[in-house]
Amino acid sequence: QLQLQESGPGLVRSSGTLSVTCTVSGDSIISRSHYWGWVRQSAGKGLEYIGSISFNGNDYYSPSLKTRGSLSIDRPMNEFSLRMISVTATDTGIYYCVRQSGTSAGDFDSWGQGILVTVS
Amino acid sequence: EIVLTQSPATLSLSPGESATLSCRASHNIHNYLAWYQQRPGQAPRLLISDASNRAAGIPARFSGSGSQTDFTLTISDLESEDFGIYYCQRCDSWPPAFGGGTRVE
Repeated sequence: QLQLQESGPGLVRSSGTLSVTCTVSGDSIISRSHYWGWVRQSAGKGLEYIGSISFNGNDYYSPSLKTRGSLSIDRPMNEFSLRMISVTATDTGIYYCVRQSGTSAGDFDSWGQGILVTVS
Repeated sequence: EIVLTQSPATLSLSPGESATLSCRASHNIHNYLAWYQQRPGQAPRLLISDASNRAAGIPARFSGSGSQTDFTLTISDLESEDFGIYYCQRCDSWPPAFGGGTRVE
């Protein structure tokens, strides 16, 4: 059974760097059938796509993120990570790691439980 | 940029009733639409892909329909576990984007 589990600091200083990791079990992160990504939800708000990465490292970022984001894959550990620089209070929210079907525009068929990251 | 507009914002119903949720795209997205359910305190879960295909393990009381710009999620015979927020997502092109959500209370 596929499981995704987020980990990382729950508190990040303003102007600092946010780093979160997703550990995948029950599927291989080098699957050619899926992308792996992150979706954010700010307090009381809706869902916001952050970015996706493919098995071979092709990465895509939301235009709203501009150049602040960086995704990476650790194949031996079956993990992928998001790094976001120059964070502000508006980056506070629950970060969900997701598996994405087929393409970088596909639906998100599996979700982690989410990790709350507060920028202060 | 294609925008998804969900309506109504809130739907107040009782168990056993049916819910009809709308998602309208500003441009034609063919059938590239997904629906998600988010229960309070939980992560979203995929209900419907490609406008009308139920995801694995999703009960038959959830059905999706529509194409091009107008889409509908219908929940028949509401159960207590169905109350929450529902989001649609366009999957036609990058970047994927979500609608603002409909709360079913």
